[in-house]
Amino acid sequence: DTAVSQTPKYLVTQMGNDKSIKCEQNLGHDTMYWYKQDSKKFLKIMFSYNNKELIINETVPNRFSPKSPDKAHLNLHINSLELGDSAVYFCASSQSQARRWVTFGSGTRLTVV
Amino acid sequence: GNSVTQMEGPVTLSEEAFLTINCTYTATGYPSLFWYVQYPGEGLQLLLKATKADDKGSNKGFEATYRKETTSFHLEKGSVQVSDSAVYFCALSTTSGGYQKVTFGTGTKLQVIP
Repeated sequence: DTAVSQTPKYLVTQMGNDKSIKCEQNLGHDTMYWYKQDSKKFLKIMFSYNNKELIINETVPNRFSPKSPDKAHLNLHINSLELGDSAVYFCASSQSQARRWVTFGSGTRLTVV
Repeated sequence: GNSVTQMEGPVTLSEEAFLTINCTYTATGYPSLFWYVQYPGEGLQLLLKATKADDKGSNKGFEATYRKETTSFHLEKGSVQVSDSAVYFCALSTTSGGYQKVTFGTGTKLQVIP
């Protein structure tokens, strides 16, 4: 069973389109994240949710909107896609109180053309 | 704030060579420390961890020791293999206001040649 699963794995779309990436975790974790990884492998946190509550919202354009319907799901919606949004997006989860490690999904490679 | 500094790559080694990837950190309180590995086309996977000073994390022949006095958590392996080629991330975790805060380093790419 996949612990953190995100779909789709690949996403190719034109500039200006709106797209969503879905994420689900079956680990019972209370915290979920979205990270963006650029072509140089630099990993940047975008959002963090704890029990459906937004707790970290880094300087990310308003075009990016996370939605957490329950603590097992954290989706990412992106409006008006731009070329610079091309990257690999990782969903992840962890259990906050225990300061345990973060478990990552396999990533969504977004290419904006 | 918290930060993690790791050596820039890429690091290129011959098979069976000794590996060290340096990692130092700054943090408030007492962080947990981690090394993650990312193989091509995959997500990050936990490689090893240490939760308190002088702890040694180990896995798959890799080791790292939590050194509080030097605020370091260097990754080592005695004999690397081609299959170890990947990007390695050092990270720390603290708790602030009841929430977990995770900080990653910039990653070090390792290439092992036969």
